[in-house]
This record gives sequence, structure tokens and C-alpha cells, in this order.
Amino acid sequence: DIQMTQSPSTLSASVGDRVTITCRASQSVSTWLAWYQQKPGKAPKLLIYKASGLESGVPSRFSGRGSGTEFTLTISGLQPDDFATYYCQQCSSLPPTFGGGTKVEIK
Amino acid sequence: EVQLVESGGGSVQPGGSLRLACAASGFIFSDFAMNWVRQSPDRGLEWVAFISSSSGTKYYADSVKGRFTVSRDNANNSLYLQMGSLKDEDTAVYYCARDPGQFGGYPDSLQIWGQGTMVTVSS
Repeated sequence: DIQMTQSPSTLSASVGDRVTITCRASQSVSTWLAWYQQKPGKAPKLLIYKASGLESGVPSRFSGRGSGTEFTLTISGLQPDDFATYYCQQCSSLPPTFGGGTKVEIK
Repeated sequence: EVQLVESGGGSVQPGGSLRLACAASGFIFSDFAMNWVRQSPDRGLEWVAFISSSSGTKYYADSVKGRFTVSRDNANNSLYLQMGSLKDEDTAVYYCARDPGQFGGYPDSLQIWGQGTMVTVSS
């Protein structure tokens, strides 16, 4: 199975900050990488597909980059609604696997 | 409104069985592949199973292969997960989730999620 490693596991930031979350795959997944946002008690929500595609309805302050084994999710200008946990997921090969999550907390 | 609603969760003893259901609305269910994904504090988010739009292709995580069966009823816009020989480590919130594109034959990103149903396996 492809292992997905996210860093950091926790990130403290303030409203307006630019934050970047990194996801590394144990082998190349090309651009078959998605990012999700999850709030407590809710299901994950798709933000980014195919490494850099912005899902419809997702604010443009969210952006994704990368290919192969290293990917980033950047939030440009953190908003109060963005404090949540973020997960990456590879869908290059079976089984699809998720990273361990990055919790974005209020500083 | 595109919506997925899971049901059927509950408490069951180890070795027992449970059938989860997912009711879909707001889109042409028969056009989309579907997945089951679970989440627990110990194991995080874990993909469980995939079924293509026509039920012709099914994939399972190794951890559930031979114990769980995914199925669908396109006439009734419903997805199912029959779970058997349940173990403590199957305890999780179970989500159904839809593929993003029509007629996909392989797991992709997960565009639409249900609210989840809790399964607890404990003696």
C-alpha cells in the first residue's frame, strides 16, 4: 500500500495567515492526489482533486500543487471557517489511502 | 440537492453481522461509482470498498475482504455494505461517498459524502 505522510500534524495560525500543508507519498502517485477538509462531527469535504483542481464552490484561497511524491495544500489568507483538519488521499493505486491529517488551530 | 444518507449502524458483538445502507438523491445514482470509507481514532480515514455504476467492478480493502460485501440497487438509488465476522477493529464511523465522474471504473477522489453512521463492535 502507498503510505501518505502529512506534515505538520498540527499547525497554529492566525486569521489572515498563509498556511501550507505538505503531503508525501511513499511512491509516485503522479497527480492522483486529493485534499479534504473535515470539521468535528462532519464528513470530509473535497477541496482539491488531481493535485491542483479546485472543486466547485471551494474558495480560491485554497490551492494545491505537486506531482509524483510531494504535494502541498496552501490556504492564502486563513479565514475563521478554515480552522479544521485537512487530509490528503492518493487514488493512483489500490487501495486508496489517506494521510494522517493536519489540524489547523487558532493561534 | 445532491445528498447521501447512511443508515443501519449500531452496536454488535464480535463475530456478528450488520448491513449498512446509503440512500442517494439529487443525482442520477446509476451513473456513478460509489465507495464506503470508514474513520476511527485509531486507524484514521480508511477506504473500505468500491462498486462501479453497473456493479460490474468491486474492490475491497484487504482488512475487510471476505467479510464485507458491497452492493447497490440502482432502481432504488441505494448502496449497501453487508458486514460479517465483525471484529473490534471494525468499530468506526462509516461513510458512503460518490466518485466525481460518471461511469468510473476505479476509485477516484470522493466528491460527495454522507453524514456517516456509527458501528460499534464490542462484547
